[in-house]
Amino acid sequence: EVQLVESGGGLVQPGRSLRLSCTASGFNFADYAMSWVRQAPEKGLEWVGFITSKAYGGTTEYAASVRGRFTLSRDDSKSIAYLQMSSLKTEDTAVYYCTRGGGIWSGYRAGYFDYWGQGTLVTVSS
Amino acid sequence: QSVLTQPPSASGTPGQRVTISCSGSSSNIGSNYIYWYQQLPGKAPKLLIYRNYQRPSGVPDRFSGSKSGTSASLAISGLRSEDEADYYCAGWDDSLSGWVFGGGTKLTVL
Repeated sequence: EVQLVESGGGLVQPGRSLRLSCTASGFNFADYAMSWVRQAPEKGLEWVGFITSKAYGGTTEYAASVRGRFTLSRDDSKSIAYLQMSSLKTEDTAVYYCTRGGGIWSGYRAGYFDYWGQGTLVTVSS
Repeated sequence: QSVLTQPPSASGTPGQRVTISCSGSSSNIGSNYIYWYQQLPGKAPKLLIYRNYQRPSGVPDRFSGSKSGTSASLAISGLRSEDEADYYCAGWDDSLSGWVFGGGTKLTVL
């Protein structure tokens, strides 16, 4: 059974940093791209970014709203995907979901988010 | 404003058929696959339809997806009370080089 468990959320002041983790199980983590999607309170879904598998270069792509502030990485030996968030803003307040898949690159347009974690809440406030 | 446009709400009575539309452009729906997600209250989203019309195992065939040009739709037949949820369409946008979501449609079963 595929499981994705996010951790690391909490209350953080504007301008500070926070790192989220996504621990995966039930599949060969190294074979898959991993993505993050967030949902502000009472709002819709917003894609944050993805990281491809090492086989496809471990390439990252980010939404314009987080580019330059957020960084995705992965540790295939531990089956963990990370979202490092810096220079946090109040508008980054959201539930952050880890998802499997979603990688898109030249010649491959078939990626999508097939499994989702339960989410972790990040609150940016002074 | 979301790149993909969905009606904010939809409703139906048990047993009815309802459709939810998703409108985009040539850079997203017009040239890439569309996906649909169901989000039950207080829960994480769940994949409902992938690659325009495919259903993951375990998703009832009451749910169906279609796409034409720059628009897509999700149909739910034999509506049930447990279908009450938020529904989101999603797709890759070539111009933005990113994933885009619709604003979501809140389905109420009357």
